[in-house]
Amino acid sequence: NAGVTQTPKFQVLKTGQSMTLQCAQDMNHEYMSWYRQDPGMGLRLIHYSVGAGITDQGEVPNGYNVSRSTTEDFPLRLLSAAPSQTSVYFCASSYSGFGQTYGYTFGSGTRLTVV
Amino acid sequence: DAKTTQPNSMESNEEEPVHLPCNHSTISGTDYIHWYRQLPSQGPEYVIHGLTSNVNNRMASLAIAEDRKSSTLILHRATLRDAAVYYCILRSNFGNEKLTFGTGTRLTIIP
Repeated sequence: NAGVTQTPKFQVLKTGQSMTLQCAQDMNHEYMSWYRQDPGMGLRLIHYSVGAGITDQGEVPNGYNVSRSTTEDFPLRLLSAAPSQTSVYFCASSYSGFGQTYGYTFGSGTRLTVV
Repeated sequence: DAKTTQPNSMESNEEEPVHLPCNHSTISGTDYIHWYRQLPSQGPEYVIHGLTSNVNNRMASLAIAEDRKSSTLILHRATLRDAAVYYCILRSNFGNEKLTFGTGTRLTIIP
């Protein structure tokens, strides 16, 4: 049971380049989400998914795309990297439960630098 | 989303109990109170959650006020490994999967 796996752990991009941050979970969680954390700040929600084929925007979605073709995977795509996207990115997953609530499991993060 | 208010920082001596407060005066009846912590250079880690009654697990206890407008995370015997940023978050039980993080409380443990 690996939990939430994020790859890569570190990445340096040039302005204008695109890339995909990978996130996979093996816990059969319905909910998955992406957060970014800038230095000294809390986490901000980028995009989230309530199940395969369903995604929605969070607080700071501009410049990012997501898709959810399987329950296990939730990749985050940076379309044209900008220095403002330099941050640490966390993927998280959770069971869903109408009338209940569950804790989130977070990945260890991807540290992205855009130069 | 209902908001939470936490002190920016707290200090505690090692091996003593720590009480981390959180105010959530606009909490709705469907909101659960979640606590997460983030150790240096790591992702957040789930600690505990509750709705109305006090909750205990191997990591901590959660005390919820009778009117649910505040709660307290209790670490019974702090260790150096408990030094982290602690986040108090409200999460609806109507399938709202979003967690909205504030800036949390930075807990420093004094040896």
